[in-house]
Amino acid sequence: EAQVTQNPRYLITVTGKKLTVTCSQNMNHEYMSWYRQDPGLGLRQIYYSMNVEVTDKGDVPEGYKVSRKEKRNFPLILESPSPNQTSLYFCASSFLTSGGARLETQYFGPGTRLLVL
Amino acid sequence: GQNIDQPTEMTATEGAIVQINCTYQTSGFNGLFWYQQHAGEAPTFLSYNVLDGLEEKGRFSSFLSRSKGYSYLLLKELQMKDSASYLCAVASSNDYKLSFGAGTTVTVRA
Repeated sequence: EAQVTQNPRYLITVTGKKLTVTCSQNMNHEYMSWYRQDPGLGLRQIYYSMNVEVTDKGDVPEGYKVSRKEKRNFPLILESPSPNQTSLYFCASSFLTSGGARLETQYFGPGTRLLVL
Repeated sequence: GQNIDQPTEMTATEGAIVQINCTYQTSGFNGLFWYQQHAGEAPTFLSYNVLDGLEEKGRFSSFLSRSKGYSYLLLKELQMKDSASYLCAVASSNDYKLSFGAGTTVTVRA
């Protein structure tokens, strides 16, 4: 089954304790992205990757790191989480078309609810 | 960057039609997506417009006017299961960013 998986689905942690949220897709998509969703603000893009070893900042990258060592995986790292990073996080992936110039439909993972105390 | 506006909430009756508007300001446009998101779930794709005009897909249609920075999603023959949040997203031609509006919550009443 074609899917995007995220782990963990729920996480409670404390300020400053490093954590990683994993994301994996089995559709051979070039493009992968992380979003956070907060009430009233909608989905905001944190980081995205156009292919292996190619990543770039979205609109809210502060406090986050990513890596793309393999095409299928795109982990999100919070080196020192703070309470303002409490949110619902979504990973998504898609193909790039038109010679890599255009995004196709994003497929979203099920989400990770993070609470930072 | 992108500035995307859509109404916060809309209410309609089962069987009716609802139109959700989305306006955007962008430094480079490379397509507009509409997604549906039920409470507690991930967004799912509804439609995509990159050229001006109307795209129809069953009960859902989406329209785009690039010169006006405007799109709408039309939901016909509303059903209770259409109660959800509808997200407008604009892709940038300057980079590979995808920017979302805050979403429109549609409530369908019997």
